Amino acid sequence: DQQVKQNSPSLSVQEGRISILNCDYTNSMFDYFLWYKKYPAEGPTFLISISSIKDKNEDGRFTVFLNKSAKHLSLHIVPSQPGDSAVYFCAVGTGGYNKLIFGAGTRLAVHP
Amino acid sequence: SQTIHQWPATLVQPVGSPLSLECTVEGTSNPNLYWYRQAAGRGLQLLFYSVGIGQISSEVPQNLSASRPQDRQFILSSKKLLLSDSGFYLCAWSPGQGSHIQYFGAGTRLSVL
Repeated sequence: DQQVKQNSPSLSVQEGRISILNCDYTNSMFDYFLWYKKYPAEGPTFLISISSIKDKNEDGRFTVFLNKSAKHLSLHIVPSQPGDSAVYFCAVGTGGYNKLIFGAGTRLAVHP
Repeated sequence: SQTIHQWPATLVQPVGSPLSLECTVEGTSNPNLYWYRQAAGRGLQLLFYSVGIGQISSEVPQNLSASRPQDRQFILSSKKLLLSDSGFYLCAWSPGQGSHIQYFGAGTRLSVL
C-alpha cells in the first residue's frame, strides 16, 4: 500500500524547457513535503520543501506546488539544464519529525 | 558545518557472511539517524531509525539489525547475509525536532553473491 506515488518512472525534456515532476499522496495528515535529487551511486540531496500551510515555494529555478485538496505535489524546473538529469524523489512527513515516506522516484533526462 | 560519513562505498560479500556498515555524523549532537535501502530501480525503503543512543525502531522485518552505540554513530549489521540483502544502503541524519529535512551519506553498494 503505497502512501506516496510518483506515477511517471521517467521524463524526457529538452534543455531550456520546463520539467514538471508529479507526486500524489494518500494521507491528509501529512503536513510537510520535500523533493530530493539523486545522481547514480550517490546519496540523495535535499532540493526544496513546502509545508501544508503554503501552496507554493520557490528557490531559483525550482518551484514546488502543493494542492492539498487533490493531495498532489509537483516540482517545476525552469529552465531545465542537462545537469538536472537525475532521479527525483518526493517525500512526505508528519508533525513527529521522525520519519519521511519516499516515492519511488522519477528519472529526469534533460537533452540538448 | 555538519557532515555524514558512510563506509565502505562498495562491498561484495558471500551469502552467509556477516555484515557491518558504519555511519557517523559530525558537527551536531543528538541527531535522528536512519538506515535506508534502495533496491535496483526502486525507491527508498526505511529500514531503521533512531532518536537517541540505544533507541532503535525497526520498520520492516528482515535479516538486518541496527545499533547506536554512541550519539553520532549508527551501525547496520547482519549475522548471515542473504542474496536478497543486495542493494544500495544509505545512512541519513536529521536535526529531529523542528526540521523534517534528512541529509544523506554517499551510500554503500552491497552485492551478496
